[in-house]
Amino acid sequence: DAKTTQPNSMESNEEEPVHLPCNHSTISGTDYIHWYRQLPSQGPEYVIHGLTSNVNNRMASLAIAEDRKSSTLILHRATLRDAAVYYCILRDVRSGTYKYIFGTGTRLKVLA
Amino acid sequence: NAGVTQTPKFQVLKTGQSMTLQCAQDMNHEYMSWYRQDPGMGLRLIHYSVGAGITDQGEVPNGYNVSRSTTEDFPLRLLSAAPSQTSVYFCASTLRQGRSPLHFGNGTRLTVT
Repeated sequence: DAKTTQPNSMESNEEEPVHLPCNHSTISGTDYIHWYRQLPSQGPEYVIHGLTSNVNNRMASLAIAEDRKSSTLILHRATLRDAAVYYCILRDVRSGTYKYIFGTGTRLKVLA
Repeated sequence: NAGVTQTPKFQVLKTGQSMTLQCAQDMNHEYMSWYRQDPGMGLRLIHYSVGAGITDQGEVPNGYNVSRSTTEDFPLRLLSAAPSQTSVYFCASTLRQGRSPLHFGNGTRLTVT
């Protein structure tokens, strides 16, 4: 399985944009990029995913580099409720590869 | 639509006891999986299943058994609990491997004394 690398922690001020990076230099052409977050004392929740093109939803945007070796999760206006651990993982859609492996993620601190 | 339901929410076991953590989903998802999360750590995959009758090992399978007799249910069994299995356990499911998001349950907090 291709691996991802994320910074251990980041800080942001409330109501400012946050860019959370993820490196995945060994990504294959069939790997989807998924982002999840885990709020304190809760289970992980889905944020966004994409393959090649940039993606937007009500929670965030996902910017994928042209060579797909890195991606960035963008929270447009951080709120205190966005303080969480954010996980970037790769998922291969080829049959025979079924493991969703989570790393340690990036702990985002939002300052009031 | 209940999503992924895990029971119990909390459990305390003595070393050597056995128990089953329950996980059920009502979304007709083929893929289900179990993770454990130790304090301050990330998620580690224990076992997963790609459909009824099919299971496989994840990163940390030792000490745990699973079975998948129906699409809806994926129980996790601890045959002889050890203090090292004290953790929070999460069950997750998804419809289409890779293309669809994982849906997580709210977790079971297990303490083994």
